[in-house]
Amino acid sequence: DQQVKQNSPSLSVQEGRISILNCDYTNSMFDYFLWYKKYPAEGPTFLISISSIKDKNEDGRFTVFLNKSAKHLSLHIVPSQPGDSAVYFCAASLVDSNYQLIWGAGTKLIIKP
Amino acid sequence: DADVTQTPRNRITKTGKRIMLECSQTKGHDRMYWYRQDPGLGLRLIYYSFDVKDINKGEISDGYSVSRQAQAKFSLSLESAIPNQTALYFCATSDLQVGSTDTQYFGPGTRLTVL
Repeated sequence: DQQVKQNSPSLSVQEGRISILNCDYTNSMFDYFLWYKKYPAEGPTFLISISSIKDKNEDGRFTVFLNKSAKHLSLHIVPSQPGDSAVYFCAASLVDSNYQLIWGAGTKLIIKP
Repeated sequence: DADVTQTPRNRITKTGKRIMLECSQTKGHDRMYWYRQDPGLGLRLIYYSFDVKDINKGEISDGYSVSRQAQAKFSLSLESAIPNQTALYFCATSDLQVGSTDTQYFGPGTRLTVL
């Protein structure tokens, strides 16, 4: 039973345009949602997070939107740059589970020049 | 120098062998984790430790054991490796802050192949 789903295995976007990565979840009790970025041969690195009490969080070119009624969050990258090409993981945490992270399968983002 | 290091980076072994993967961190974090990643799947938690005396099983602990030798060191053992343990293994650390979530910092990973 996948509690966190990233339904698009890959996404291709033109450089300079907006990249939108999506994530759906099933457990309405999740307290936080996080996005991680992973380059080949490296470990995931933290990108941005959002509390379940908010609907938007922004950090530079990265914005995460949370729609609790739809159990959906999205990561927007504007403008997309070649260095953004990576695998992006969505993860969710529960305070009652000591903040253990539940991970999506990842979406590979390819930025075309 | 990297904050979270893993050794070895790559390992090929045979079925039935005992394997140890090591993780060290210089971040001073209390919490440490071991994950595995398989193609098409997200990271799955094997074991985690919130301090030297605290070890907890994760989602997929069968066939694995861990040792927390010090705050900075957390090792993962496969007592008798089997081919379906072929995967990418990640160690992570975190330092939970009040009012925030548990942001984890990852090592570069160990690619393990069991023949």
